[in-house]
Amino acid sequence: AQKITQTQPGMFVQEKEAVTLDCTYDTSDPSYGLFWYKQPSSGEMIFLIYQGSYDQQNATEGRYSLNFQKARKSANLVISASQLGDSAMYFCAMREGNYGGATNKLIFGTGTLLAVQP
Amino acid sequence: NAGVTQTPKFQVLKTGQSMTLQCAQDMNHEYMSWYRQDPGMGLRLIHYSVGAGITDQGEVPNGYNVSRSTTEDFPLRLLSAAPSQTSVYFCASSYSFVAKDGYTFGSGTRLTVV
Repeated sequence: AQKITQTQPGMFVQEKEAVTLDCTYDTSDPSYGLFWYKQPSSGEMIFLIYQGSYDQQNATEGRYSLNFQKARKSANLVISASQLGDSAMYFCAMREGNYGGATNKLIFGTGTLLAVQP
Repeated sequence: NAGVTQTPKFQVLKTGQSMTLQCAQDMNHEYMSWYRQDPGMGLRLIHYSVGAGITDQGEVPNGYNVSRSTTEDFPLRLLSAAPSQTSVYFCASSYSFVAKDGYTFGSGTRLTVV
C-alpha cells in the first residue's frame, strides 16, 4: 500500500539559507510520481515540483530541487536561499498506478511547517 | 479559465443534515478527487474519479458519496453530517495520469458540523 512519511512536524531556517524537508515513501509499484506542495497560511495548495520514478535526473524548479534517492525511497525537497515568503506548510505526495487504470491515487504526507526567520 | 471552483466556501451544518459540496473544473481534466484536511493529519483522500462514470474510494470514504456524470463536475455528498466531518475539504484535478504539472486544487470548503 502507498505510504508517505514526513518526520519533521516543524522546522526553522534563517533567511537566505538552504533548507531540506524530508520525505520518505513506500510503494510496490514501479511506476509512481512524487509531488511537493506548499500551503501558506491563506490555505491554498500550490504545486512546487514533480519527480517521476523513471526520471534519471533530479527535478529542479527555480529555488526548489528534489533530492530523489530511489533505492532509499526518499524524495527530499531542498529550498535554496530561503525567503520570508517561504514560511508555510509543505506537503509531500505520491501518485501510483498504471495508465488508464482505476488505481490512480494521490496520497499526502502529514506535512512540515517551515518558519523562515529574518 | 476559472480552474477548479468549489462552492460553498464556508458551511455550518447541524448533525444529521445532508448537503452537497460542489466541485467544477473547466480544464477538461479527466482525474478529479476529494480530500479532507484536519490538523496534524495532512490531506486524506476521500473519493476519486479517473473519468466520467468512474469513481473509487480513497482512504476515508465512509459517510461520503460521489458521482461523476460529466467531465466537469465532481460533487461530494454528505449523507448524514456528523461532528467528525468538521474539516476543510479540497477538490483537486489533473489532466493526465502522469500529472507532471501537478494537480490543481480548489480553494477549499470549510465545513463545521454542530
